[in-house]
This record gives sequence, structure tokens and C-alpha cells, in this order.
Amino acid sequence: DTGVSQDPRHKITKRGQNVTFRCDPISEHNRLYWYRQTLGQGPEFLTYFQNEAQLEKSRLLSDRFSAERPKGSFSTLEIQRTEQGDSAMYLCASSPRDTLNTEAFFGQGTRLTVV
Amino acid sequence: DAKTTQPPSMDCAEGRAANLPCNHSTISGNEYVYWYRQIHSQGPQYIIHGLKNNETNEMASLIITEDRKSSTLILPHATLRDTAVYYCIVNTGRRALTFGSGTRLQVQP
Repeated sequence: DTGVSQDPRHKITKRGQNVTFRCDPISEHNRLYWYRQTLGQGPEFLTYFQNEAQLEKSRLLSDRFSAERPKGSFSTLEIQRTEQGDSAMYLCASSPRDTLNTEAFFGQGTRLTVV
Repeated sequence: DAKTTQPPSMDCAEGRAANLPCNHSTISGNEYVYWYRQIHSQGPQYIIHGLKNNETNEMASLIITEDRKSSTLILPHATLRDTAVYYCIVNTGRRALTFGSGTRLQVQP
């Protein structure tokens, strides 16, 4: 078990381009979360999955954002037509199946810079 | 989720106990108090959580008042590596965590 893995760690893209990030959760963790964090702020919730089902989406997740978790394993977060305001750290976390008293394990994040 | 209030920043001398307060006066009976921290350029890290009783693990102690309206995270012997932003979160455990701005703890040598 190597923890939550995110790829890439850094991404620089031009405004208007599409980007896709990948998250590999800890194996057998049913829940997977995506967060966004801008400088000086706490992480903001974007969406979460239980297995392959996307159970909740924040209003922060505009139409340009889409997340998938095929087969309930890894997840991808795609941003279409990137804007400078999308520049942020994108964090992924996972936690075990739906029980109380569970901690979330976070990855190191993908830092996106839109130029 | 209930809202939490934390001081924006605190200092602590290395080797001394760091006591980080958190107010959560609107906490519901089924909500836990979670603490996470985020060291610069890393993802948040779980520290501890509790419902009513005080809790202790290898990293920290969590003291929850009897009325559950506030809590204190205690790092018994702070080191320079404990310099981080500490987040107090109230959550039922069944929903995604909601992070506030946290407390930036600076451990001074």
C-alpha cells in the first residue's frame, strides 16, 4: 500500500486547453473525493464517489469539470477549456467503505497552472 | 455540517505543548470533531477525531468540552516538523469533509 497516488504532480497548460488528472486511491477504499485548493485557503470539496457512483457534486464543479471513476477503482478529473481561475492544487482523497469513524487519506495533489 | 471557528495563527516554542482551540457551538449530536493538518506543499493529514470523550493517539490529544461546543487539540511536545496549518472539522463521518481556513501553527526553535 503506497497511499493515494496522483498524476501528474504538476501541470502547466495554456488557457482554453483541456487537462485530465488521475487519482489512484488506496486499494479497497470505496470512497474517493476530489478537492481544489487555492493559495492561502483550505481545500474546497468538489465531488465524491462511492465505488463507481458519483454521489455528490459541489456547485463549484462547473459544466467544464467532469469526474469519473470507472469500475470503482482509479478516478479522473477533467477540466475542459481551462481558465486562469482554474489554477489551483487539485487534491484527491480516499477512505474505507461507508462506516463511521473513518479518516480520509489524501494524495500529494496535482498543481495546475493555467497561463 | 456545523461551522467551526479557529484562530488564524499561533506560535509555540519547540518542546512545549501546543494547544489549538476550536469552537463549534452548533455541533449536532451525531457529528464528530476531526482534526487534520497540512504541511506546506503536501496533502492534508489526519490527526485525530472524537465524538464526546477525550481521545489520545501517538500524534496528539483531543479534549472536547462536556457541552461539545468547543475542543482543543494538544500536541504535547511540539517540534519544528509540526509547523503546519491545522484544520478543525465537524462532520457526521458520512459526508465529505468541509475545510475552513484553519490555524497556522508556527513552532519556533
